[in-house]
Amino acid sequence: TQLLKQSPQFLSIQEGENLTVYCNSSSVFSSLQWYRQEPGEGPVLLVTVVTGGEVKKLKRLTFQFGDARKDSSLHITAAQPGDTGLYLCAGVGSARQLTFGSGTQLTVLP
Amino acid sequence: GAVVSQHPSWVICKSGTSVKIECRSLDFQATTMFWYRQFPKQSLMLMATSNEGSKATYEQGVEKDKFLINHASLTLSTLTVTSAHPEDSSFYICSAEDRGSNYGYTFGSGTRLTVV
Repeated sequence: TQLLKQSPQFLSIQEGENLTVYCNSSSVFSSLQWYRQEPGEGPVLLVTVVTGGEVKKLKRLTFQFGDARKDSSLHITAAQPGDTGLYLCAGVGSARQLTFGSGTQLTVLP
Repeated sequence: GAVVSQHPSWVICKSGTSVKIECRSLDFQATTMFWYRQFPKQSLMLMATSNEGSKATYEQGVEKDKFLINHASLTLSTLTVTSAHPEDSSFYICSAEDRGSNYGYTFGSGTRLTVV
């Protein structure tokens, strides 16, 4: 059973468009992380959100953590082909283990 | 920044043989490392938590006798896939947390295992 569901599962957009990826959990996590993974490589951490309602910005990426610390979203403004990749949210458990979301495969077409 | 080195990056082996994958934290000590498995176009699934100096904690459904984990030092954890079969073919990834960097999980570059 996937504790963290991401939507959409696949997303293909044109360069310059905006997009939002959602991560919905059935559990509360102490913190939530977002990663980006390219084929044949390990995930790379983008951000960690800890406080309910927290908003963090990383250049064109905006991350939100829901008030109840169960949901999160990633918004990308003016997407570029270099943003293409698999985006993963991950909840941090009490034993410090990560539970990954189902993933969103983003393709940005030039 | 924290670096985790994983070797080999890819390996092809025959059915019935065993394969060892190494995960090293290069510039920090990791009392805990994690092993994940990833199938094509899917997310990472946690297999086990590797604890330095003690037994690994396996997730439900993961055979501990099949996937042997050894964490003999603060910088090295190994995953051995024993008596590999084609269904074990997958992308295996390790990660370690650098407690000194606060919420810092670093992942290895992964190992593509193909069992023929």
